[in-house]
Parts: sequence; C-alpha cells; structure tokens
Amino acid sequence: QKEVEQNSGPLSVPEGAIASLNCTYSDRVSQSFFWYRQYSGKSPELIMSIYSNGDKEDGRFTAQLNKASQYVSLLIRDSQPSDSATYLCAVMGGGSYIPTFGRGTSLIVHP
Amino acid sequence: DTAVSQTPKYLVTQMGNDKSIKCEQNLGHDTMYWYKQDSKKFLKIMFSYNNKELIINETVPNRFSPKSPDKAHLNLHINSLELGDSAVYFCASSQGSVLNNSPLHFGNGTRLTVT
Repeated sequence: QKEVEQNSGPLSVPEGAIASLNCTYSDRVSQSFFWYRQYSGKSPELIMSIYSNGDKEDGRFTAQLNKASQYVSLLIRDSQPSDSATYLCAVMGGGSYIPTFGRGTSLIVHP
Repeated sequence: DTAVSQTPKYLVTQMGNDKSIKCEQNLGHDTMYWYKQDSKKFLKIMFSYNNKELIINETVPNRFSPKSPDKAHLNLHINSLELGDSAVYFCASSQGSVLNNSPLHFGNGTRLTVT
C-alpha cells in the first residue's frame, strides 16, 4: 500500500516569509512527484512537478526531491495572502501511472 | 476553452436515488480518472480508464459504475445513493502510461449532497 504523508497544518506564515511544505512517501520506486494547490471550493491545480533529485525552481516556487530519504518539499518564497490554500503532494511510479495523494497541508499567509 | 469539464457542479438528492455525473476532456489524453474528495480534503482514486478500458477499480461499492463511451468521456453512475456518498467528485485526465508519468488535469468537481 503506497502512502504519502503530509502534515495537515495549518501552517501559518507572515506575508513575505518563506513557507516550507513537506511530504514523505513510502514506495521507494516512485519516480514522479507533483505539488498541487487547491483553493477552498476549487479543484486542484498543478504548480510543480519534479522527477530527479535536487531542486527545481519556478518563480517563487522551489520543489526539492531527495529519493534516498523519500522526501519531497515545496518552498514558497515571498509568501502572499493569495498563496493561502491547501497544498497536495502526489506521487507516481513503480509501474503505476495512478498518482497517490497526501492529505494536504493547509497554508495560511497572514498580512 | 475548458480542458476537463464535468456536470453538474452541484447535485442534491435523496437517499436511494440514482444519479449520474458526466465528464469530458478536450486535451486528447488517453487516461481518465474519478476521484472522491471527502470533507477532510483526502483525494481517493475510484476508477481509471485508459483508452476506454478499465485499468483501476479501487475498493468502491458496486453501486458506482463508470462508463467510458470513448476516450474523451468518462461518466459515473451511482445507484441507491447513501448518506456516506456525500463528497466532491473530481474527474481528471492525463497522458498517462506506464512509461509516461504525466500530471493530472482536474475538472471543477461535482459536490454531491445526499439527504
């Protein structure tokens, strides 16, 4: 049974700070990792994907992957109130293209 | 240009009724999915179809029956609705295959309330 673990939060950070969201996964052969953002009452939208160890940056977002530690994180620099949402980690691979989702971390960015 | 569209957006019905949710994608993807999201935001896979063929059927009551008339459509029919079926149901699609772990694109969701 594949498991993806996230701290449910809420994680509260002040505007302008760095928000750090973490995710661990159980299936060692996982190959693809995704971060989705979900605003209340809306559908999940993809914000980052990462496939190899290291960092991947896209604007204010940085995804970090460490396959040895089975750990993936998302950093949001210069956090804005509009970043307040639930962030879902999803993991795929090991012969399956069905992603397994974590339960999400609620992020609150306060002015 | 809606990529993944599902209807209806809201569905309120009584226990014991039968209802359907429709989903269509215009992305040319081969794989479509139904996910159920409970009140605690947990997204749980229900079904996955690849080119109209059922690939995944997780532990879902047989009251739920997916139908894929073509690879652009995946509908969900639910018989004898129960209170516990109340949730948000998301349709999604991807260019997924064993060799290509591409991300999912989600529809806007259908909020089902069973009274």
